[in-house]
Amino acid sequence: NAGVTQTPKFRVLKTGQSMTLLCAQDMNHEYMYWYRQDPGMGLRLIHYSVGEGTTAKGEVPDGYNVSRLKKQNFLLGLESAAPSQTSVYFCASRKRTGDYEQYFGPGTRLTVT
Amino acid sequence: AQKITQTQPGMFVQEKEAVTLDCTYDTSDQSYGLFWYKQPSSGEMIFLIYQGSYDEQNATEGRYSLNFQKARKSTNLVISASQLGDSAMYFCAMRTSGSARQLTFGSGTQLTVLP
Repeated sequence: NAGVTQTPKFRVLKTGQSMTLLCAQDMNHEYMYWYRQDPGMGLRLIHYSVGEGTTAKGEVPDGYNVSRLKKQNFLLGLESAAPSQTSVYFCASRKRTGDYEQYFGPGTRLTVT
Repeated sequence: AQKITQTQPGMFVQEKEAVTLDCTYDTSDQSYGLFWYKQPSSGEMIFLIYQGSYDEQNATEGRYSLNFQKARKSTNLVISASQLGDSAMYFCAMRTSGSARQLTFGSGTQLTVLP
């Protein structure tokens, strides 16, 4: 099992450009999440999904959109990147039932200039 | 609203000694879960240990244990016999009562193990 994978690992964008981050998991998990991590801060939830075709906003959703067309994939989009979106982005997934940990991907380091 | 507080931005410990990392939380829920993650310099998030709010025993996992004090709303991580590889950022997180079981994270504690 590959677990949770993220593509790309690094990216540099210019202000106003758009991009999509891909998260894939092969554990058949129902729940998936996107977080951002800024220096000196913990992870903050951007958006999440409780199943295929469903998404919801987290703590810091502005400037981002998501889609979950397939159970194993969760996409995070930036329509018009801003320097404030420079961050490390983590995807995570977990089972629907029980109180289990979230499994995290390796992260994507995004710089917006 | 859920809140996690880690008041120690940085900690130092001598190799082979024990260290305690503090974490307090605020929630009005009766049912919740508390998690600790380790983030080494390579950046990945590694799950360490879990404590449920109804668990009567403190959780243990190898060299990791939790000092769970429900009345004080604290769940401190104890690492015994520290190793150089324990040097990392440690995050405390709480599972919310929401249907998606989201995690709320603290700001982390940077632990450095000295040889």
